[in-house]
Amino acid sequence: KQEVTQIPAALSVPEGENLVLNCSFTDSAIYNLQWFRQDPGKGLTSLLLIQSSQREQTSGRLNASLDKSSGRSTLYIAASQPGDSATYLCAVPPVNNDMRFGAGTRLTVKP
Amino acid sequence: NAGVMQNPRHLVRRRGQEARLRCSPMKGHSHVYWYRQLPEEGLKFMVYLQKENIIDESGMPKERFSAEFPKEGPSILRIQQVVRGDSAAYFCASSVTGGADNSPLHFGNGTRLTVT
Repeated sequence: KQEVTQIPAALSVPEGENLVLNCSFTDSAIYNLQWFRQDPGKGLTSLLLIQSSQREQTSGRLNASLDKSSGRSTLYIAASQPGDSATYLCAVPPVNNDMRFGAGTRLTVKP
Repeated sequence: NAGVMQNPRHLVRRRGQEARLRCSPMKGHSHVYWYRQLPEEGLKFMVYLQKENIIDESGMPKERFSAEFPKEGPSILRIQQVVRGDSAAYFCASSVTGGADNSPLHFGNGTRLTVT
Protein backbone atom coordinates (compact mmCIF):
# COMPACT_ATOMS: atom_id res chain seq x y z
CA LYS A 1 0.00 0.00 0.00
CA GLN A 2 1.28 3.41 -0.96
CA GLU A 3 2.76 5.48 1.87
CA VAL A 4 3.79 9.09 1.33
CA THR A 5 6.22 10.80 3.66
CA GLN A 6 7.27 14.43 3.73
CA ILE A 7 10.37 15.79 5.36
CA PRO A 8 10.80 18.10 7.16
CA ALA A 9 7.48 18.48 8.95
CA ALA A 10 8.19 22.16 9.51
CA LEU A 11 10.71 24.60 8.11
CA SER A 12 11.47 28.22 8.96
CA VAL A 13 13.75 30.27 6.74
CA PRO A 14 14.62 33.93 6.23
CA GLU A 15 13.27 35.70 3.21
CA GLY A 16 15.29 35.26 0.04
CA GLU A 17 16.58 31.80 0.80
CA ASN A 18 16.28 28.95 -1.68
CA LEU A 19 14.79 25.84 -0.15
CA VAL A 20 13.92 22.23 -0.90
CA LEU A 21 10.96 20.23 0.34
CA ASN A 22 11.11 16.46 0.16
CA CYS A 23 8.49 13.85 -0.58
CA SER A 24 9.01 10.09 -0.68
CA PHE A 25 6.64 7.32 -1.66
CA THR A 26 6.88 3.58 -1.21
CA ASP A 27 5.28 2.32 -4.42
CA SER A 28 7.07 3.57 -7.52
CA ALA A 29 4.23 2.48 -9.83
CA ILE A 30 2.68 5.93 -9.98
CA TYR A 31 1.09 7.81 -12.85
CA ASN A 32 1.96 11.26 -11.62
CA LEU A 33 2.69 13.22 -8.48
CA GLN A 34 1.02 16.46 -7.54
CA TRP A 35 2.24 19.23 -5.23
CA PHE A 36 -0.30 21.37 -3.42
CA ARG A 37 -0.23 24.38 -1.20
CA GLN A 38 -2.63 24.82 1.70
CA ASP A 39 -3.04 28.10 3.53
CA PRO A 40 -4.44 28.07 7.09
CA GLY A 41 -8.19 27.51 7.06
CA LYS A 42 -8.27 27.15 3.31
CA GLY A 43 -8.45 24.42 0.73
CA LEU A 44 -5.66 23.07 -1.41
CA THR A 45 -4.24 24.88 -4.40
CA SER A 46 -2.56 22.79 -7.05
CA LEU A 47 0.98 23.98 -7.73
CA LEU A 48 2.52 21.45 -10.06
CA LEU A 49 1.63 18.09 -11.53
CA ILE A 50 4.56 16.07 -12.72
CA GLN A 51 3.85 13.12 -14.98
CA SER A 52 5.54 9.79 -14.35
CA SER A 53 7.39 10.16 -17.66
CA GLN A 54 8.79 13.55 -16.68
CA ARG A 55 11.84 14.34 -14.59
CA GLU A 56 10.83 17.83 -13.61
CA GLN A 57 8.22 20.55 -13.97
CA THR A 58 8.63 24.27 -13.47
CA SER A 59 6.24 27.09 -12.65
CA GLY A 60 7.71 30.47 -11.84
CA ARG A 61 9.94 30.16 -8.78
CA LEU A 62 8.85 26.56 -8.22
CA ASN A 63 10.53 23.50 -9.63
CA ALA A 64 9.41 19.94 -8.91
CA SER A 65 11.54 16.94 -9.70
CA LEU A 66 10.56 13.30 -9.77
CA ASP A 67 12.70 10.18 -9.44
CA LYS A 68 10.33 7.25 -9.68
CA SER A 69 12.95 4.58 -9.23
CA SER A 70 14.02 5.93 -5.86
CA GLY A 71 10.51 6.96 -4.85
CA ARG A 72 11.32 10.61 -4.37
CA SER A 73 10.13 14.03 -5.39
CA THR A 74 11.45 17.42 -4.40
CA LEU A 75 9.88 20.83 -4.56
CA TYR A 76 12.43 23.60 -4.96
CA ILE A 77 11.39 27.16 -4.09
CA ALA A 78 13.74 29.87 -5.27
CA ALA A 79 14.12 33.24 -3.56
CA SER A 80 11.49 32.53 -0.94
CA GLN A 81 9.06 35.27 0.10
CA PRO A 82 6.84 35.68 3.19
CA GLY A 83 3.86 35.01 0.93
CA ASP A 84 5.20 31.51 0.36
CA SER A 85 4.40 30.65 3.99
CA ALA A 86 1.93 27.77 3.91
CA THR A 87 1.77 24.01 4.22
CA TYR A 88 2.99 22.14 1.17
CA LEU A 89 1.57 18.72 0.41
CA CYS A 90 2.56 16.12 -2.09
CA ALA A 91 0.08 13.54 -3.30
CA VAL A 92 0.03 10.44 -5.42
CA PRO A 93 -3.06 10.15 -7.62
CA PRO A 94 -5.85 7.67 -7.22
CA VAL A 95 -4.35 4.60 -8.85
CA ASN A 96 -6.77 2.51 -6.87
CA ASN A 97 -9.01 5.42 -5.95
CA ASP A 98 -7.17 5.89 -2.68
CA MET A 99 -5.09 8.98 -3.29
CA ARG A 100 -2.34 9.27 -0.77
CA PHE A 101 -1.24 12.55 0.72
CA GLY A 102 1.82 13.27 2.75
CA ALA A 103 1.27 15.00 6.08
CA GLY A 104 2.82 18.15 4.63
CA THR A 105 5.68 20.50 5.33
CA ARG A 106 4.70 23.68 7.16
CA LEU A 107 6.85 26.47 5.75
CA THR A 108 7.40 29.83 7.41
CA VAL A 109 9.35 32.50 5.54
CA LYS A 110 10.39 35.30 7.87
CA PRO A 111 10.69 38.85 6.51
CA ASN B 1 -15.02 29.02 -14.82
CA ALA B 2 -15.86 28.62 -11.16
CA GLY B 3 -13.76 26.25 -9.11
CA VAL B 4 -14.98 23.51 -6.82
CA MET B 5 -17.66 25.01 -4.59
CA GLN B 6 -18.34 23.68 -1.13
CA ASN B 7 -20.98 24.83 1.30
CA PRO B 8 -21.39 25.65 3.98
CA ARG B 9 -17.91 26.88 4.85
CA HIS B 10 -18.57 26.36 8.53
CA LEU B 11 -21.12 24.06 10.12
CA VAL B 12 -21.85 23.65 13.80
CA ARG B 13 -23.91 20.71 14.98
CA ARG B 14 -24.78 19.32 18.40
CA ARG B 15 -24.09 15.71 19.12
CA GLY B 16 -26.74 13.46 17.60
CA GLN B 17 -27.73 15.86 14.83
CA GLU B 18 -27.20 15.33 11.12
CA ALA B 19 -24.63 17.16 9.01
CA ARG B 20 -25.02 17.60 5.25
CA LEU B 21 -22.05 18.86 3.30
CA ARG B 22 -22.39 19.90 -0.33
CA CYS B 23 -19.90 19.95 -3.16
CA SER B 24 -20.37 21.27 -6.69
CA PRO B 25 -17.48 20.12 -8.89
CA MET B 26 -15.85 22.24 -11.52
CA LYS B 27 -17.77 22.53 -14.74
CA GLY B 28 -17.11 19.52 -16.93
CA HIS B 29 -15.84 17.38 -14.05
CA SER B 30 -17.72 14.17 -13.41
CA HIS B 31 -15.47 12.67 -10.74
CA VAL B 32 -15.70 13.74 -7.13
CA TYR B 33 -13.59 12.80 -4.13
CA TRP B 34 -14.19 13.53 -0.46
CA TYR B 35 -11.38 13.85 2.06
CA ARG B 36 -11.27 14.51 5.79
CA GLN B 37 -8.56 16.49 7.51
CA LEU B 38 -8.22 16.38 11.26
CA PRO B 39 -6.32 19.19 13.01
CA GLU B 40 -2.56 18.90 12.46
CA GLU B 41 -3.05 15.81 10.31
CA GLY B 42 -2.93 15.05 6.61
CA LEU B 43 -5.82 14.45 4.28
CA LYS B 44 -7.51 11.08 4.45
CA PHE B 45 -9.45 9.68 1.53
CA MET B 46 -13.07 8.92 2.25
CA VAL B 47 -15.01 8.23 -0.94
CA TYR B 48 -14.81 8.53 -4.72
CA LEU B 49 -17.94 9.04 -6.80
CA GLN B 50 -18.95 9.49 -10.38
CA LYS B 51 -22.36 10.67 -11.43
CA GLU B 52 -24.92 8.42 -9.72
CA ASN B 53 -22.27 5.87 -8.75
CA ILE B 54 -20.08 5.24 -5.75
CA ILE B 55 -16.79 3.93 -7.12
CA ASP B 56 -14.83 3.49 -3.92
CA GLU B 57 -16.01 4.12 -0.36
CA SER B 58 -13.23 2.22 1.36
CA GLY B 59 -12.15 5.25 3.37
CA MET B 60 -15.56 6.08 4.74
CA PRO B 61 -16.79 4.75 8.09
CA LYS B 62 -19.40 2.05 7.57
CA GLU B 63 -21.87 3.60 9.99
CA ARG B 64 -23.43 7.06 10.02
CA PHE B 65 -21.61 8.24 6.88
CA SER B 66 -23.01 8.21 3.36
CA ALA B 67 -22.29 10.00 0.11
CA GLU B 68 -24.10 10.56 -3.14
CA PHE B 69 -23.55 12.33 -6.43
CA PRO B 70 -26.90 12.52 -8.22
CA LYS B 71 -27.40 13.07 -11.91
CA GLU B 72 -28.47 16.62 -11.19
CA GLY B 73 -27.12 18.71 -8.36
CA PRO B 74 -24.14 18.65 -6.06
CA SER B 75 -22.47 15.76 -4.34
CA ILE B 76 -23.62 15.36 -0.74
CA LEU B 77 -21.67 13.94 2.17
CA ARG B 78 -24.07 13.07 4.97
CA ILE B 79 -23.13 12.34 8.55
CA GLN B 80 -25.89 11.09 10.79
CA GLN B 81 -25.89 11.31 14.59
CA VAL B 82 -22.68 13.30 14.68
CA VAL B 83 -20.19 12.83 17.49
CA ARG B 84 -17.37 15.10 18.67
CA GLY B 85 -14.84 12.96 16.81
CA ASP B 86 -16.47 13.96 13.53
CA SER B 87 -15.20 17.52 13.99
CA ALA B 88 -12.82 18.11 11.11
CA ALA B 89 -12.41 19.87 7.81
CA TYR B 90 -14.04 18.02 4.94
CA PHE B 91 -12.66 18.68 1.49
CA CYS B 92 -14.12 17.87 -1.86
CA ALA B 93 -12.04 17.53 -5.01
CA SER B 94 -13.02 16.97 -8.60
CA SER B 95 -11.31 15.94 -11.79
CA VAL B 96 -12.21 15.55 -15.43
CA THR B 97 -11.55 11.84 -15.31
CA GLY B 98 -10.55 9.63 -12.47
CA GLY B 99 -8.60 6.50 -11.77
CA ALA B 100 -5.34 6.18 -13.65
CA ASP B 101 -5.73 9.23 -15.80
CA ASN B 102 -3.37 12.15 -15.46
CA SER B 103 -5.97 14.84 -14.86
CA PRO B 104 -5.16 16.85 -11.74
CA LEU B 105 -7.43 17.19 -8.75
CA HIS B 106 -9.00 20.55 -7.98
CA PHE B 107 -10.04 21.18 -4.40
CA GLY B 108 -12.75 23.22 -2.79
CA ASN B 109 -12.11 25.38 0.27
CA GLY B 110 -13.64 22.81 2.54
CA THR B 111 -16.40 22.65 5.13
CA ARG B 112 -15.30 22.93 8.73
CA LEU B 113 -17.59 20.87 10.89
CA THR B 114 -17.67 21.49 14.61
CA VAL B 115 -19.66 19.17 16.82
CA THR B 116 -20.51 20.60 20.23
